[in-house]
Order: sequence, then C-alpha cells, then structure tokens
Amino acid sequence: DIQMTQSPSTLSASVGDRVTITCRASQYISDWLAWYQQKPGKAPKLLIYRASTLEGGVPSRFSGSGSGTEFTLTISSLQPDDFATYYCQQYNSYSTFGQGTKVEIK
Amino acid sequence: QITLKESGPTLVRPTQTLTLACTYSGFSLSTNGVGVGWIRQPPGKALEWLALIYWDESKRYSPSLESRLTITTDTSKNQVVLTMTNMDPVDTARYYCAYADSSWNFGNWGQGTLVTVSS
Repeated sequence: DIQMTQSPSTLSASVGDRVTITCRASQYISDWLAWYQQKPGKAPKLLIYRASTLEGGVPSRFSGSGSGTEFTLTISSLQPDDFATYYCQQYNSYSTFGQGTKVEIK
Repeated sequence: QITLKESGPTLVRPTQTLTLACTYSGFSLSTNGVGVGWIRQPPGKALEWLALIYWDESKRYSPSLESRLTITTDTSKNQVVLTMTNMDPVDTARYYCAYADSSWNFGNWGQGTLVTVSS
C-alpha cells in the first residue's frame, strides 16, 4: 500500500497568512494527487486534482504543486472560510488519504 | 446537478454484515469513465477509501479490507450498494459515497451516514 504522510498535523495561522501543507508519498505516484477541504460535520470538498489543477469554483488563492513523492498545498492569503482540515489523496495505485492537517486560528 | 445520499442502519452488532446503499442522481453510471466510491471516516479520524465501482461494472477494493467488502450497482434504481462483513467496533465510522471521474477524483460527496458497531 502507498502511505501518505502530511505535515504538519496542526497549523495555527492568522487571516492573511500564507499557508503551506506538505504531503509525502511512500512511493512514486507521478502527479496522481488530490487535495480536499473538510469542515466539521461536512463532507470533504475537492480543491485540487492532478497535483495542481484547481477544481471549478475553488478560489485562486489555493494552489498545488509537486510530483513524484512530494507535494504541497498553498493558500496564498488565508481567509476566515479556510479554517478547516485538509487531506491529500493519492490515486496512482488504488487510493489512500493522508492523516489530515487541521488549520486553526492563531 | 449531481447528488448522492447514503442510507442504511445506524447500529450494527459485532460480527454482523453491514449493507449500505448510495442513491444518486444527476449522472448515469453507464457513462464511460464514471464511478462511485465509498470512503469512511471514524469519529475524529482521517478518511479511508474502501471501494469503487466503474461504469463498466469493474470494481476496486482497498487491499486491507478486500476480503470483507462487496460493491454492486443497480442502475435501474440509481443505487450503489456496499456490503461489509464481520463488523467490529473499530468499523464505527461515518460512511460516505462519492462520485468519481475516470481519475478517481471524488468531486461530489453524499452527506454520509454514521454507523455504530456495538453490542
């Protein structure tokens, strides 16, 4: 199985901050990686797929990069609506999610 | 507009078999490239992918749970059904179904259904 490791597990930040979350795969996955946002009590929402392609309707302050085994999700200027938990998902070989990164208010 | 909704028991006993249904609308599971997947999330924990069925009825299962899972489709009812055998308290989770394109991107999710395993 491919393991996905996110860091950090929790991130404290303020509105307007630039935020970066990292996701590492235990083996090569090309760019078969997606990012999701999940708010308490809600289903996850797809933000980015193929590592860097923004899903329709997602604000441009979200961006993704990386390939191979290391990937990043960046929020260029954190907004109040962005406080949530973020998950990466590999789909190179079946599918695996990371353990999540909670972005909380500093 | 794509919508999905999960249904099934909220409580199952240990060793029992869980059967969940996902009723969908806004797409056809007969369309080339389309799939429906199941993902679960124990309370306060991370997401875990379980299974996926494609438009051509091919199926994929999580290797760690494959022996316990079966995914089927009833296109006449617009439903995808997941069964999981030999339920254990560690299987307590919210179970989601989700629409997947050919690249396994889960772009649309149901609201999820909470299943508790307890005697």
